[in-house]
Amino acid sequence: KNQVEQSPQSLIILEGKNCTLQCNYTVSPFSNLRWYKQDTGRGPVSLTIMTFSENTKSNGRYTATLDADTKQSSLHITASQLSDSASYICVVSKNNAGNMLTFGGGTRLMVKP
Amino acid sequence: EAGVAQSPRYKIIEKRQSVAFWCNPISGHATLYWYQQILGQGPKLLIQFQNNGVVDDSQLPKDRFSAERLKGVDSTLKIQPAKLEDSAVYLCASSWTRGAHNEQFFGPGTRLTVL
Repeated sequence: KNQVEQSPQSLIILEGKNCTLQCNYTVSPFSNLRWYKQDTGRGPVSLTIMTFSENTKSNGRYTATLDADTKQSSLHITASQLSDSASYICVVSKNNAGNMLTFGGGTRLMVKP
Repeated sequence: EAGVAQSPRYKIIEKRQSVAFWCNPISGHATLYWYQQILGQGPKLLIQFQNNGVVDDSQLPKDRFSAERLKGVDSTLKIQPAKLEDSAVYLCASSWTRGAHNEQFFGPGTRLTVL
């Protein structure tokens, strides 16, 4: 069964601290992996996309890693800001399946002052 | 560039009533998706359109849910009759086409509460 599992489910950190979110997947055949940020009351917005051959991708203070052998990805947030408070969703796209996405359950991050 | 538009943003109905949601995708995007997102979970695909044709509706509860995209542009999702378990956020997304590398852009969603 194609699945995407994320951990932790929720996380509270202090402003300025770093954090790392984890994603494990079993989706096969693999096409790409995206990390989405979803603010409360808004739709998800893509932060990064990685294909099989890429093992790291940065977008400002967000850095995503991918280990296609172990089927694991992480999202590292550096020097967190209050505006980083959101849900972060790991999404895996299956190859040869149109644009069908498998979503993780998300990690709800709260950054406190 | 305008994003994906959805309306209404919020809707409260009683069980067994009917409700409809509207979505206008990004101009030029051929593929349109409707997702159901239950609180604390990731979105679940309900239906995918390519232009005005249905590509995948395998997870759409067809006894009560219906969707159309008659002119291949905007789309309507209907629930008739609604159940308590339909309370969720309904997200619409669009992409340039169906290829796996085409980013899906999401609208703000419609939050449905069924009482």
